[in-house]
Amino acid sequence: DQQVKQNSPSLSVQEGRISILNCDYTNSMFDYFLWYKKYPAEGPTFLISISSIKDKNEDGRFTVFLNKSAKHLSLHIVPSQPGDSAVYFCAAILQGAQKLVFGQGTRLTINP
Amino acid sequence: NAGVTQTPKFRILKIGQSMTLQCTQDMNHNYMYWYRQDPGMGLKLIYYSVGAGITDKGEVPNGYNVSRSTTEDFPLRLELAAPSQTSVYFCASSYSTDSDEQYFGPGTRLTVT
Repeated sequence: DQQVKQNSPSLSVQEGRISILNCDYTNSMFDYFLWYKKYPAEGPTFLISISSIKDKNEDGRFTVFLNKSAKHLSLHIVPSQPGDSAVYFCAAILQGAQKLVFGQGTRLTINP
Repeated sequence: NAGVTQTPKFRILKIGQSMTLQCTQDMNHNYMYWYRQDPGMGLKLIYYSVGAGITDKGEVPNGYNVSRSTTEDFPLRLELAAPSQTSVYFCASSYSTDSDEQYFGPGTRLTVT
């Protein structure tokens, strides 16, 4: 039972363009969502998060949008840079559950 | 701060062998976690701890054991290694829970043959 799904295993984007990574979830009780970035041979690092009471959170080139009615969130990166090439994981938390539930990840490749 | 450190980085085990994956954090975090990541999959929680002396099962605990005798250390024990335990293992920590981000170690790549 995959509660958090990232349906695109990979995404290729030209440098300077917008990258949009998508994530869907099934549990309406999730109340906090996070995006992690992972380079090869390293652990994931936190990128940006959003509470379920918001629909948008922005941090520099990164913006996360949350559509609760559709149970969908997306990460926008603009402009995309070569250093953004990595695997991106979406994760969700149930309040008080103390556990992150991760999606499968999307490999983003930024082409020069 | 070194953050979260894991040893070893790589290990090859024969079926039936045992080993301990070490994890240490120097951020005085209360919460610690062990995940495994299989190819093309997300991270799955094996065990977690909310403080010294307290541990609990995650999504995939079978074949593993943990202990938390200090705030800093959270070792993961494999008693009878099986090929299904071939994976990359990540340790993580956080100050609390809910909205707090988790800090991950670099991972241990384990192969069981």
